[in-house]
Amino acid sequence: DAMVIQNPRYQVTQFGKPVTLSCSQTLNHNVMYWYQQKSSQAPKLLFHYYDKDFNNEADTPDNFQSRRPNTSFCFLDIRSPGLGDAAMYLCATSRAYSTDTQYFGPGTRLTVL
Amino acid sequence: QQQVKQSPQSLIVQKGGISIINCAYENTAFDYFPWYQQFPGKGPALLIAIRPDVSEKKEGRFTISFNKSAKQFSLHIMDSQPGDSATYFCAAVKAAGNKLTFGGGTRVLVKP
Repeated sequence: DAMVIQNPRYQVTQFGKPVTLSCSQTLNHNVMYWYQQKSSQAPKLLFHYYDKDFNNEADTPDNFQSRRPNTSFCFLDIRSPGLGDAAMYLCATSRAYSTDTQYFGPGTRLTVL
Repeated sequence: QQQVKQSPQSLIVQKGGISIINCAYENTAFDYFPWYQQFPGKGPALLIAIRPDVSEKKEGRFTISFNKSAKQFSLHIMDSQPGDSATYFCAAVKAAGNKLTFGGGTRVLVKP
């Protein structure tokens, strides 16, 4: 009954080698979010979509990009991963931009060698 | 500038005891205050939430107390169980959007 699915759960990449993380949802929610969470820290919002309307947080590095080809899927592309990009990447969804509950996926653990 | 301050960073409590986590916020535009529970290797999950027109909300063993004038809110976990061992994040949301402003998190360990 998974509602927010992230693949892969673990990703290992080399320094500078592009990587794509994927998220899918079965909730038919309008809003999808990408967060970065480093060890012992709170999740940090990178960007979010309302349908295809993309919103980038001001401090999200240019190295991070996202695509949302349809309601169900959203991708996070890291063009040239650095060692500092090693983290858990969390996808979340919510029905709307109100105070609706955000439902998080299990995350993808990214390791950069 | 940390808009939501959470304390303590970590907490050890005996089984059956009470866990108390405190949060303070600065921005009066926040009007929704959820708590998220995160187990190792999992994404956060909504535990309980409160709006500022209510001073207390209880769901099972979890209670939020809210003090609007002091701009503080807290989570109480009654009769703490080993299965409650997790990291807890308070958060705040502004009415105009759904961006979660998280506190720094509290790692709770309940000893059997």
